[in-house]
Amino acid sequence: GDSVTQMEGPVTLSEEAFLTINCTYTATGYPSLFWYVQYPGEGLQLLLKATKADDKGSNKGFEATYRKETTSFHLEKGSVQVSDSAVYFCALSTNAGKSTFGDGTTLTVKP
Amino acid sequence: DSGVTQTPKHLITATGQRVTLRCSPRSGDLSVYWYQQSLDQGLQFLIQYYNGEERAKGNILERFSAQQFPDLHSELNLSSLELGDSALYFCASSVAPTGGQYNEQFFGPGTRLTVL
Repeated sequence: GDSVTQMEGPVTLSEEAFLTINCTYTATGYPSLFWYVQYPGEGLQLLLKATKADDKGSNKGFEATYRKETTSFHLEKGSVQVSDSAVYFCALSTNAGKSTFGDGTTLTVKP
Repeated sequence: DSGVTQTPKHLITATGQRVTLRCSPRSGDLSVYWYQQSLDQGLQFLIQYYNGEERAKGNILERFSAQQFPDLHSELNLSSLELGDSALYFCASSVAPTGGQYNEQFFGPGTRLTVL
């Protein structure tokens, strides 16, 4: 079946550090890929997405590139802020209608 | 604000009881998803409906059931509740039922269920 494997957390960084959260997937066909973010006490919200190979999703300084050859969709940000502290979920969606989420990676950014 | 509403926000009940969680999708969205988020199991997809019909099923227990009504709101029914059912239950909605750029999901704020 479909699966999403995320880098285990928690991840703790200092402000202005570079962030990478690894995500790899297994799916039949050509899934759409997403990163969602969950701030404390809130629901998930879409951060960025990519729907085909080599697409780059970007938002709020975060980027991820859909790599079909390595089945990966790693999340990156060049300079993190304290306000980026949250839980990040990698997810895929297939044409069969099923959505699969990774386990989430908790990021804490210290001033 | 995602436009997805869920009620109630909090629910406290006893083992063996039955509860109903309600979700109203964003205006124009036909697809509704239910998820369970617990500390030890992460975010688990339960079930998806599209325009009133069941579209996809995930790790949903037989004690749980859901439906989507003609006005597109959805209800998740949890019965014979156990301590392990305590979790956050999220509803999400999307325009399209399957993969693609219109399948991004908009999540509600969640219902926190506590089973004592």
